[in-house]
Amino acid sequence: GENVEQHPSTLSVQEGDSAVIKCTYSDSASNYFPWYKQELGKRPQLIIDIRSNVGEKKDQRIAVTLNKTAKHFSLHITETQPEDSAVYFCAATYRMNSGYSTLTFGKGTMLLVSP
Amino acid sequence: GAVVSQHPSRVICKSGTSVKIECRSLDFQATTMFWYRQFPKKSLMLMATSNEGSKATYEQGVEKDKFLINHASLTLSTLTVTSAHPEDSSFYICSARESLSGRRGDTEAFFGQGTRLTVV
Repeated sequence: GENVEQHPSTLSVQEGDSAVIKCTYSDSASNYFPWYKQELGKRPQLIIDIRSNVGEKKDQRIAVTLNKTAKHFSLHITETQPEDSAVYFCAATYRMNSGYSTLTFGKGTMLLVSP
Repeated sequence: GAVVSQHPSRVICKSGTSVKIECRSLDFQATTMFWYRQFPKKSLMLMATSNEGSKATYEQGVEKDKFLINHASLTLSTLTVTSAHPEDSSFYICSARESLSGRRGDTEAFFGQGTRLTVV
């Protein structure tokens, strides 16, 4: 099955700095890579996603890059703000033998943005 | 985005009893639903994937007789924790996707609000 590795597990930055979270995946057939943000006590929410036919996607202060050859993708947050503090999960779609696909998550990165 | 409703949000049960958790997609048909378990300050651990009308696919190490999953309709999946024990205490969360892979491609998964299970 798919294996998704995520680093770092904890990331502390000063407000205004950039934050980068990196993930690698094992299944070369994976074609969909979402990023979720989970605030304390709340459900994960999708913040950005990328499909395998593009190399980069940007949405305001958030961007995601994908390197299919190296099988890694990264989340970039610029001009961080205290409200960006949360746990961020990357995920990759893994196609099961049944034909259905499932999402495999990384272990998460706790981002702390200090004012 | 689409809405996934999970109930109950919190449940306390006695050791040895069974608990049922419901996951409903309110405004779309969820052909696939996922059940996760999350420990404090830990990642989402996939327990099983359920597809409407077929048996759930369990991840390695997850006892299917312990965690019964039923996906009887396109809007409802249930997880039943049977003969619960204190070590089953955890945060259980479901997510749902709208389309079958290969038809419209892989799509975003929407999460329920989670269920905090405490077994005493």
